[in-house]
Amino acid sequence: GQNIDQPTEMTATEGAIVQINCTYQTSGFNGLFWYQQHAGEAPTFLSYNVLDGLEEKGRFSSFLSRSKGYSYLLLKELQMKDSASYLCAVMDSNYQLIWGAGTKLIIKP
Amino acid sequence: DADVTQTPRNRITKTGKRIMLECSQTKGHDRMYWYRQDPGLGLQLIYYSFDVKDINKGEISDGYSVSRQAQAKFSLSLESAIPNQTALYFCATSEGRDTGELFFGEGSRLTVL
Repeated sequence: GQNIDQPTEMTATEGAIVQINCTYQTSGFNGLFWYQQHAGEAPTFLSYNVLDGLEEKGRFSSFLSRSKGYSYLLLKELQMKDSASYLCAVMDSNYQLIWGAGTKLIIKP
Repeated sequence: DADVTQTPRNRITKTGKRIMLECSQTKGHDRMYWYRQDPGLGLQLIYYSFDVKDINKGEISDGYSVSRQAQAKFSLSLESAIPNQTALYFCATSEGRDTGELFFGEGSRLTVL
């Protein structure tokens, strides 16, 4: 079966750095996506990786290793507004998105 | 105004009732999706549509039906609601087949008593 694993919850301190991991087992691979979802709101697209390596976008970076079935989202200079759930999703060989359950990130002052 | 609009935003209904959730979009995308989100679970695809004449079942389509009335409108129906359909429902759009960048509506919270 297809599976996306990510930690349920993480806590970090304002101003610090946090890494959210995602491992996947899917039927084929056509890209990995990270979304941010604030409580009670819709998910919004953060990043896309299809080749191995690091993609940087401001305070957020996303890394992919296809051989290991592994990705992480790195958030730097954490701000209180970064408190949200972060969803990892993989596009399989049928171009269907398979979603992880999300990681709830709690930022403490 | 939001690019993807869902109505109603909140609905409480009783077991056995018919309920319709509506979605409209101004992004001009051909592809539209209905997902449900439950605590502790990933987003689950109910139905998706690549254009007005192309509708496909997702992983959890049982108990649901859809209608694509126009490129901009995609409705989800529960013919006879049951309590385990209590969830947060999202409509989403995308520009093409191989893009995983989805644009979500604000969500419709449905409670079935």
